[in-house]
Amino acid sequence: GESVGLHLPTLSVQEGDNSIINCAYSNSASDYFIWYKQESGKGPQFIIDIRSNMDKRQGQRVTVLLNKTVKHLSLQIAATQPGDSAVYFCAESIGDDKIIFGKGTRLHILP
Amino acid sequence: DVKVTQSSRYLVKRTGEKVFLECVQDMDHENMFWYRQDPGLGLRLIYFSYDVKMKEKGDIPEGYSVSREKKERFSLILESASTNQTSMYLCASSSPKTGEETQYFGPGTRLLVL
Repeated sequence: GESVGLHLPTLSVQEGDNSIINCAYSNSASDYFIWYKQESGKGPQFIIDIRSNMDKRQGQRVTVLLNKTVKHLSLQIAATQPGDSAVYFCAESIGDDKIIFGKGTRLHILP
Repeated sequence: DVKVTQSSRYLVKRTGEKVFLECVQDMDHENMFWYRQDPGLGLRLIYFSYDVKMKEKGDIPEGYSVSREKKERFSLILESASTNQTSMYLCASSSPKTGEETQYFGPGTRLLVL
């Protein structure tokens, strides 16, 4: 089976609230992690990445947290907007140019 | 701005037909990948290439072949399409340079095999 997974297949969040999407990984050798967003009918779009020597990385309205002790990755989206509705994938790499993807979490924004 | 393009957004083919899916990237990336995406199964790697003329099998290469004659172009070939190859096909590219290994995806080709 895949070594990357997600705790919740669907997450519903009120517009304007913060969203937190979680991901567990099992390969201790993974040293690079990525979050992708995939809107309906489109290819996955890079959001943010983080290396294993970091615990936190911030982008525009997004923050990725990495907890290597428990092999956990999370994506936080601040002030969630309707345009954030999508499926979010976490992915990991052990540095061999291949990436292992999780199955995804669907983020649903409530008006 | 990075760009990966795929030749078709939608394709309808008949069982037994030979199908070509083309992918082009303009980022001078060495690595290129073909995935298929199916509900409940996520993204599965079919083939990848680290350089021109080179190809490596991914997790599900059966029924597929690839061609990388030029650095910017990576083609996926279904020699004899079957109904179980109905899927969304995604191409991606990346650089092997540390700090640039994120894979960038094309818009996808939705293939229906009748």
